[in-house]
Amino acid sequence: GDSVTQMEGPVTLSEEAFLTINCTYTATGYPSLFWYVQYPGEGLQLLLKATKADDKGSNKGFEATYRKETTSFHLEKGSVQVSDSAVYFCALIGGETSGSRLTFGEGTQLTVNP
Amino acid sequence: KAGVTQTPRYLIKTRGQQVTLSCSPISGHRSVSWYQQTPGQGLQFLFEYFSETQRNKGNFPGRFSGRQFSNSRSEMNVSTLELGDSALYLCASSLAGQHNSPLHFGNGTRLTVT
Repeated sequence: GDSVTQMEGPVTLSEEAFLTINCTYTATGYPSLFWYVQYPGEGLQLLLKATKADDKGSNKGFEATYRKETTSFHLEKGSVQVSDSAVYFCALIGGETSGSRLTFGEGTQLTVNP
Repeated sequence: KAGVTQTPRYLIKTRGQQVTLSCSPISGHRSVSWYQQTPGQGLQFLFEYFSETQRNKGNFPGRFSGRQFSNSRSEMNVSTLELGDSALYLCASSLAGQHNSPLHFGNGTRLTVT
């Protein structure tokens, strides 16, 4: 069935460092891909999305490109801030198995130190 | 515009009891989805309701049920609680369903079963 795999965490960075969180997926069909962020004590917020191959989603300095050839959707940010500390989830929807339900990766805890 | 509201925020129940969680979607949203979040299993899809009809269901036992009212508000019920049901239960609403429009999550209900 459809699945999403994220790099193991936690990830700890210093402020202004470059961030990459790897995400790969397994799905048949033409899924849409998402990154969600969860701050402590809160629900998930949509960070960015891409609906077809080679699309680049971007928001708040974060970017991710839908790479069908490598089945990847890696999250990047050029310069992280302390306020970016949160858990990041990669997700897909619309694969032939998952259909209209979101399938999430395990989540990656990011801590940014001043 | 008010966000997705989940009540209560915290619940403590005993094994064997039943519990009802409530979710009020964003005004105008007709789709409500429920997810269970645990450290071990991550985020797992429970079910989705659209215009009072269950449109999709995850792989949970029949003890987990839900419904949606004509005003789009939704409730989730868990009967005969087990220790393993302890989790953060997240509700999300969208305009036209998970596949067609972004999900907006509430802050969740933290259920502890003792």
